[in-house]
Amino acid sequence: EAQVTQNPRYLITVTGKKLTVTCSQNMNHEYMSWYRQDPGLGLRQIYYSMNVEVTDKGDVPEGYKVSRKEKRNFPLILESPSPNQTSLYFCASSSPGQGVDEQYFGPGTRLTVT
Amino acid sequence: AQSVTQPDIHITVSEGASLELRCNYSYGATPYLFWYVQSPGQGLQLLLKYFSGDTLVQGIKGFEAEFKRSQSSFNLRKPSVHWSDAAEYFCAVGARSGGYQKVTFGTGTKLQVIP
Repeated sequence: EAQVTQNPRYLITVTGKKLTVTCSQNMNHEYMSWYRQDPGLGLRQIYYSMNVEVTDKGDVPEGYKVSRKEKRNFPLILESPSPNQTSLYFCASSSPGQGVDEQYFGPGTRLTVT
Repeated sequence: AQSVTQPDIHITVSEGASLELRCNYSYGATPYLFWYVQSPGQGLQLLLKYFSGDTLVQGIKGFEAEFKRSQSSFNLRKPSVHWSDAAEYFCAVGARSGGYQKVTFGTGTKLQVIP
């Protein structure tokens, strides 16, 4: 089954404790992206990757890191989480070709930082 | 830079009534346009998309949307709403620049369906 998986689905942590949210897709997609969803703000892009070893900042990259060492994986790293990073996080992937194609979303990771 | 506006934060309709969700975009060229739906506790699922061609596009679950360049709009419609359509709906605009693509989402419209 074609899918994007994220782990963990739920995470409660404390300020400053490094964490990683994993994202993996099995569709051989070149493009992957991380979003955060906050009430009233919709989805805002954190980082994206057009292919292996190619990443770039989205609209709200501060406090986050990513890496793309393999095509299927795109982990999101919070090196020193703060309460303002409490949010619902989504990973997505697509195969845009020469244009912009639909994105396939993971189920989301709800992060609480206390 | 592209942007998307969904002016209605929350809409309530009766089951069986028609629905129209508004979306306005800002982009200099012909955009790639999408509508996604998010059911409670779920990720986003694509309803429909527009790249070019016929400006009235059909999607899944009986939804359709019409691209109107003159109004910079891409409104989502459904003739008869079902209780299972209660969800949050996001309009998105995509653009390609060289080797990079950028997709911007609106803030969403939450749909409530009453019996």
